[in-house]
Amino acid sequence: KAGVTQTPRYLIKTRGQQVTLSCSPISGHRSVSWYQQTPGQGLQFLFEYFSETQRNKGNFPGRFSGRQFSNSRSEMNVSTLELGDSALYLCASSLSNNSPLHFGNGTRLTVT
Amino acid sequence: KQEVTQIPAALSVPEGENLVLNCSFTDSAIYNLQWFRQDPGKGLTSLLLIQSSQREQTSGRLNASLDKSSGRSTLYIAASQPGDSATYLCAPNNAGNMLTFGGGTRLMVKP
Repeated sequence: KAGVTQTPRYLIKTRGQQVTLSCSPISGHRSVSWYQQTPGQGLQFLFEYFSETQRNKGNFPGRFSGRQFSNSRSEMNVSTLELGDSALYLCASSLSNNSPLHFGNGTRLTVT
Repeated sequence: KQEVTQIPAALSVPEGENLVLNCSFTDSAIYNLQWFRQDPGKGLTSLLLIQSSQREQTSGRLNASLDKSSGRSTLYIAASQPGDSATYLCAPNNAGNMLTFGGGTRLMVKP
């Protein structure tokens, strides 16, 4: 069974630009969540989608948004990029609330 | 707001030792708690998930315990090997799949 796939693997963007990251969950998983990992703040929850609906949202500004499609694939978008948005962005999928989360290898975003 | 603390922050041991990694959390109203490992530059690998109604969970050389009322979980690694070198993270789940992560324990097992 294929794992969680995130594309692209690496991205370099300039301040003020916007970026879209993609995540394909494990087949059959309907929950997709996103996390930001930085050396200073560690791993922080961004948002979670289940059956195309956002169920939970972390404490991030409105520049961070996401969506989930009917095939459970998800995208997250960051607009008006700032230097502090440089991070590893991780996507995870799960069957349900009480099932393990399975993470992809992440997209490393560098903002210059 | 859930807060998670992991002790120790770093650990270096010779191969073969048994290890205990500690995790404490402030909000005991959790669905479950997961332990992960992360290798440098990679995503997280799920090790064990303990439901809120369980006391412990085992997988191979790994055993995780949960004391929800006191807000503590431990990960026991038996007979450590160099391949166990990684960062270990615990994460209680309070709502949906909204996990709160600790800062991790960076483990180095020397041959």
